[in-house]
Amino acid sequence: GAGVSQSPRYKVAKRGQDVALRCDPISGHVSLFWYQQALGQGPEFLTYFQNEAQLDKSGLPSDRFFAERPEGSVSTLKIQRTQQEDSAVYLCASSLGRRSSYEQYFGPGTRLTVT
Amino acid sequence: DAKTTQPTSMDCAEGRAANLPCNHSTISGNEYVYWYRQIHSQGPQYIIHGLKNNETNEMASLIITEDRKSSTLILPHATLRDTAVYYCIALYSGNTPLVFGKGTRLSVIA
Repeated sequence: GAGVSQSPRYKVAKRGQDVALRCDPISGHVSLFWYQQALGQGPEFLTYFQNEAQLDKSGLPSDRFFAERPEGSVSTLKIQRTQQEDSAVYLCASSLGRRSSYEQYFGPGTRLTVT
Repeated sequence: DAKTTQPTSMDCAEGRAANLPCNHSTISGNEYVYWYRQIHSQGPQYIIHGLKNNETNEMASLIITEDRKSSTLILPHATLRDTAVYYCIALYSGNTPLVFGKGTRLSVIA
């Protein structure tokens, strides 16, 4: 079956532009996570949804970052007025969301470069 | 979630067992030990997890010490495709945000 997909795979933005990154989770997965991975570092948590509810957005680095999942399936991470420090790989993961579920399935990521 | 400590890097000869250690001395009684790996240019991939008992699946084995303060991930016959960064994570539930740390970069050498 299809895994988690993300688009675009690569995005180059000029400083100050707005960008939107899309995540298609595995069908039926209730939980969806966004992570940011800077070069040479491990992924860092940004935000988390259960269905359409955003349960935790404590990892979003500034109010320029906004995420949504309006119908509890596809999610979009939007970054307004991009800055050079936003350059990173943005990873999306989904899981079944049950109390007993243990595995998060990751997409390939979107590499964002801000010039 | 408890902090974990891993060596920065390790080498392993192809075909040999790779033993990756992890310290988690402050782990609490109901925190699991999870292992993920990330192959270059890919998203992280779940490997295995355990609470107290040793665990084995088709990818690896996980050995947790009796006091649960450390664990070892074992890849029994490492291949070149196992070259990746391996992350040891302590957490209460797999359905919560993962805290990755820096991980161990494993290089499998032909």
